[in-house]
Formats: sequence, structure tokens, C-alpha cells
Amino acid sequence: AQKVTQAQTEISVVEKEDVTLDCVYETRDTTYYLFWYKQPPSGELVFLIRRNSFDEQNEISGRYSWNFQKSTSSFNFTITASQVVDSAVYFCALSPNNAGNMLTFGGGTRLMVKP
Amino acid sequence: SQTIHQWPATLVQPVGSPLSLECTVEGTSNPNLYWYRQAAGRGLQLLFYSVGIGQISSEVPQNLSASRPQDRQFILSSKKLLLSDSGFYLCAWGRDRTYEQYFGPGTRLTVT
Repeated sequence: AQKVTQAQTEISVVEKEDVTLDCVYETRDTTYYLFWYKQPPSGELVFLIRRNSFDEQNEISGRYSWNFQKSTSSFNFTITASQVVDSAVYFCALSPNNAGNMLTFGGGTRLMVKP
Repeated sequence: SQTIHQWPATLVQPVGSPLSLECTVEGTSNPNLYWYRQAAGRGLQLLFYSVGIGQISSEVPQNLSASRPQDRQFILSSKKLLLSDSGFYLCAWGRDRTYEQYFGPGTRLTVT
């Protein structure tokens, strides 16, 4: 069985602060994929990143960076110099390497960035 | 490029009425298709998924059903809505071996 835990249900920061969103997962699969999605107030989920279990390199995309640590089963997401537009609910998700590619989502973290 | 459409965007229906939500995907063939529900302030719950025409798998027992009459069309239905069916319904598509799913704009359903 798969499980994704996002312990932080809500985070509030002031603009320009850095913020890290935690994600811890459980799986018995040796090959799997991890994802982050952003859900702005409009509701549509926006795909941010996919990581496979063989690639533990950290990734940076602009102000976003991701830290994948297999040893601790974590895939954390950091936003540097946060902006008001970053305010959204962020979901971490896990998919095993099987047909159908179903995602198991965490409960989400609501990030509020105040000006 | 691929796009995914859902309609209607919002819907208010009385208890006991039928439901039909539609999702279509453009720009790809033989996608995997998914229906999710998100209750207010909650996470996403997978309702149905389909890996091909006429192939539907249900993840949660409920009074909802899904159908895939065409390769890129996915329909969510109910014969009689319950109050607990209220929520935000999201359709998504994905490909085998690329794994991420791409979501539509969603339908906000309020059952009164």
C-alpha cells in the first residue's frame, strides 16, 4: 500500500521569506515516481515536477527546488523568496511503476504568502 | 499540445436528481483517464480510472458511475444525487510510462 503524508496542513509566511513544504512517503515498490502539484484558488491542479526513485539529484527551477532523500523517504519542496502568487495548496503524490499509473496524494499543504 | 476540457464549470442540483459530467481530451490518443473528487478543504479522492474504451475501474463504492464511450471522452454519472456528492470534481489524463497526470479545470457540484 502507498501512503503520502504532508504533516503541515497550513503555512503562513511573509513575502520574500523562504518556505519548505514537507512530504514523506511510504511504499514497498522499488521503482516509483514522486510528484508535486500546485492548486491555486481557481482549483485546477498544476503539475510542477516528477522524480523517479532512481534519481536522487536535487532539482532547481527558478525559485523552486526539490530535495529527494530516499534514505528518509522524503521529497521536500522549497520556495525561495516567496511571492503572493505562490499562495496555493500544494500536493505531493506518489505513483508505483504499474499500468494505470494511479497517484496517491498527500492531504495537501495550504501556503499563504502575505505581502 | 494536449488540452483537457470539463463541463459544466459549476452545477447546483437537488438531491435525487441525475448527474452527468463530461471530460474530453484533445491532442493525444489512448490516454489513461481519471475522475477525482475533492471535498471542501480536503485532499483528492480517486473515484474511477480507465486505461481504454469501455474499461472502467472503480476505487470507491458509491452511487456514482463512469463511462468511456470514446477514446478521449470520460463521463461521470449518477442516477440520484446525495448531499454527500457535493464537491469539486476533477478529470485528469495521463500516459503509461510518463506517469504524471494533467488535470482539467474541474466542476464544482453543489447538491441542495
